[in-house]
Amino acid sequence: DGGITQSPKYLFRKEGQNVTLSCEQNLNHDAMYWYRQDPGQGLRLIYYSQIVNDFQKGDIAEGYSVSREKKESFPLTVTSAQKNPTAFYLCASRVREYSYNEQFFGPGTRLTVL
Amino acid sequence: RKEVEQDPGPFNVPEGATVAFNCTYSNSASQSFFWYRQDCRKEPKLLMSVYSSGNEDGRFTAQLNRASQYISLLIRDSKLSDSATYLCVVNSGTGKLIFGQGTTLQVKP
Repeated sequence: DGGITQSPKYLFRKEGQNVTLSCEQNLNHDAMYWYRQDPGQGLRLIYYSQIVNDFQKGDIAEGYSVSREKKESFPLTVTSAQKNPTAFYLCASRVREYSYNEQFFGPGTRLTVL
Repeated sequence: RKEVEQDPGPFNVPEGATVAFNCTYSNSASQSFFWYRQDCRKEPKLLMSVYSSGNEDGRFTAQLNRASQYISLLIRDSKLSDSATYLCVVNSGTGKLIFGQGTTLQVKP
């Protein structure tokens, strides 16, 4: 079955540590996205990538970094510079960024900073 | 003004009721529209696309009004399992998808 996988589902981190969230898709989509969702809030775009080896900052990129070395993979690193990293992180993909198509989401990673 | 606006609710309705949500968008060049459903602590999932002529999927009907720049979602015969947050999503006109904040529906027995 085609889809998006994220791991781990739950992640606990101590303050001051960097942590990397995994996102893999086998939908052959060019575009991939990372969102953050806080309780009772909407989605906020962190980073997105239209194609391999290219990515752009979203609305709240500070304290985060990404890479896109393979089409299937778009890992997100939450660095110690992120002031309030506890949140629900969602990865998504789409056929292409500038298209009429919908996005598909992975199941999410819930990060808690202790 | 936000690009996509929704009434956050919550909408509390009894089982069997009909409920409607509206979503307004600001960019008249927007070309595609979607409704997503998000259950508590889960990822958003596509509920339905919204076509110019309107479309129906079982108890769910989506409508687009380009003149007034809004889309709507009508749910008939509400079930307990319809309780969720419904996200309005608009293609901004450049191809970028813009997500609304979501409308929370709580269906009561």
